[in-house]
Amino acid sequence: DAKTTQPPSMDCAEGRAANLPCNHSTISGNEYVYWYRQIHSQGPQYIIHGLKNNETNEMASLIITEDRKSSTLILPHATLRDTAVYYCIVTNAGGTSYGKLTFGQGTILTVHP
Amino acid sequence: DAGITQSPRYKITETGRQVTLMCHQTWSHSYMFWYRQDLGHGLRLIYYSAAADITDKGEVPDGYVVSRSKTENFPLTLESATRSQTSVYFCASRTGTAVLAYGYTFGSGTRLTVV
Repeated sequence: DAKTTQPPSMDCAEGRAANLPCNHSTISGNEYVYWYRQIHSQGPQYIIHGLKNNETNEMASLIITEDRKSSTLILPHATLRDTAVYYCIVTNAGGTSYGKLTFGQGTILTVHP
Repeated sequence: DAGITQSPRYKITETGRQVTLMCHQTWSHSYMFWYRQDLGHGLRLIYYSAAADITDKGEVPDGYVVSRSKTENFPLTLESATRSQTSVYFCASRTGTAVLAYGYTFGSGTRLTVV
């Protein structure tokens, strides 16, 4: 699976958009970009994923660059409850890896009042 | 209730004892996974399973044993617990479709302390 690089920490004001970047320059054609978050002491929570098109769901938007070497997770109106560690993960859908998730250190997002 | 449940939530055991962590999911997901998370670190894959009776090692399998006799259960056993296995353990499952439509679902975790 391709390696990802994320900033170790970011701050965001409540009510503003939080934009979390991720670099995955070695991503291959069959690999998806996944975002998860982990709120203190809880199990990781799935947020969104994409292959090459931008995606949006009720939680967030995912913007993937045309060359697929980087992506940005957007939380449009951050709240205090969005304070968490955010993980960007690249993985393929099957084959020998079974779509395993390899977690890096992630980005600690702190939303402040 | 539908979902993925882990038991126990908290466990304290002594060095050298065998301990089993349970994971149960109600969706009949094909794939199940065990991760451990140490303080200040990300999650590391211990073992995973593609279906009943099919398991394989992850990144840090030493000292652990898994079994999967039924699709819904994926127990993790520490054969002889060591202090280095003090950690939070997370179980996860996902569907077996080619496109990972909804990603993984994780349990709430088991906090294991080996004294």
